[in-house]
Amino acid sequence: DVKVTQSSRYLVKRTGEKVFLECVQDMDHENMFWYRQDPGLGLRLIYFSYDVKMKEKGDIPEGYSVSREKKERFSLILESASTNQTSMYLCASNRAGTGLDYGYTFGSGTRLTVV
Amino acid sequence: QKEVEQDPGPLSVPEGAIVSLNCTYSNSAFQYFMWYRQYSRKGPELLMYTYSSGNKEDGRFTAQVDKSSKYISLFIRDSQPSDSATYLCAWGGGADGLTFGKGTHLIIQP
Repeated sequence: DVKVTQSSRYLVKRTGEKVFLECVQDMDHENMFWYRQDPGLGLRLIYFSYDVKMKEKGDIPEGYSVSREKKERFSLILESASTNQTSMYLCASNRAGTGLDYGYTFGSGTRLTVV
Repeated sequence: QKEVEQDPGPLSVPEGAIVSLNCTYSNSAFQYFMWYRQYSRKGPELLMYTYSSGNKEDGRFTAQVDKSSKYISLFIRDSQPSDSATYLCAWGGGADGLTFGKGTHLIIQP
């Protein structure tokens, strides 16, 4: 069973902390994505990557950075966590050649609370 | 412009009813149309995928696309309590991946 695994289901961090959210996929997918999901706002793209060491900004990259050192792993970094970054974070991946549009596989999400 | 309109609900219907979920969009560059289903505390999963106008059927689910009206629909026949979830419409064809609707929360009452 193919999977996108996010390292934590629930996370509580303090304001100002540096936070790492990890995502690993075992499908040999080239494209990986980070979204946040908030009530009333839906899914919003933070960053995506179409290859190792490559990254592209999505719609709301401010306050975030990413790292993709290996094909299977895509990390989201909150440089200095703030309360407005409390959210559900979803990682997804898909295969290159299908376009950036098709066949996303999502992880189960990390619910981050910043206090 | 990325604009996708989807009624957030909640939409509550009795078991066995036909459910109609709808989305409208404004960007005619969109080429691919999808429906994702998301259960509580889970990530979304791909339910239906269509490329062109018309209907696509998969079991109890039918996806309908009307490009001229920029309107897509998902129909669920013989709805079951296990269909209770949030349904997200999504569009592709842009330079940076999918554009998602905000989701409709569906409740099927036993």
